[in-house]
Amino acid sequence: DIQMTQSPYTLSASVGDRVTITCRASQSISSWLAWYQQKPGKAPKLLIYKASNLESGVPSRFSGSGSGTEFTLTISSLQPDDFATYYCQQYNSYSTFGQGTKVEIK
Amino acid sequence: QVQLQESGPGLVKPSETLSLTCAVSGYSITSGHYWAWVRQPPGKRLEWIGSLFHSGSTYYNPSLKSRVTMSVDTSKNQFSLRLTSVTAADTALYFCARVRSASYDAFDFWGQGTLVTVSS
Repeated sequence: DIQMTQSPYTLSASVGDRVTITCRASQSISSWLAWYQQKPGKAPKLLIYKASNLESGVPSRFSGSGSGTEFTLTISSLQPDDFATYYCQQYNSYSTFGQGTKVEIK
Repeated sequence: QVQLQESGPGLVKPSETLSLTCAVSGYSITSGHYWAWVRQPPGKRLEWIGSLFHSGSTYYNPSLKSRVTMSVDTSKNQFSLRLTSVTAADTALYFCARVRSASYDAFDFWGQGTLVTVSS
């Protein structure tokens, strides 16, 4: 099993802040990583696929980078609608998700 | 626009079988994508259950493989999940989703989810 570990667990930030979330894989997954945004009681929304590709319709303030075992999701200027929980997902071998990072209002 | 809608009982007794269906609209289930089930226990991370192709090809999470069966009904443009011998640990919000491209890939369209509680 490939384990995915995100940091931090919780992040407090203000509107306009630059926010970075890290995801680490227990072994190399090349670039087979996606990022999702999830709000309470709702389905996840795909933001980034293959580590750095922006899904259609997703604002350009979201970006992803990394390869191998370390990846980051960056929100360049946090907007009110961005307060949510973010998950990474590896799909190099089966599929597993990180434990999530909650972005809350500071 | 691709839309997915889960349906099935919201309450299942321990040791019984959980059965859910995902109806797909706005897109043909035979148009070349894999389709998946993902679940999320309350307050926990997402867990991939398995994926299937309209041909019947399936991939299951090894930790659930012995209890999971996924199937497709192309005439109704829907696919289904069966999970046997359920326990309280199977209580979760169950989502169906479309796999973006290959057999293993990101999930680009999701249903709204259906809560299944395992309790006597």
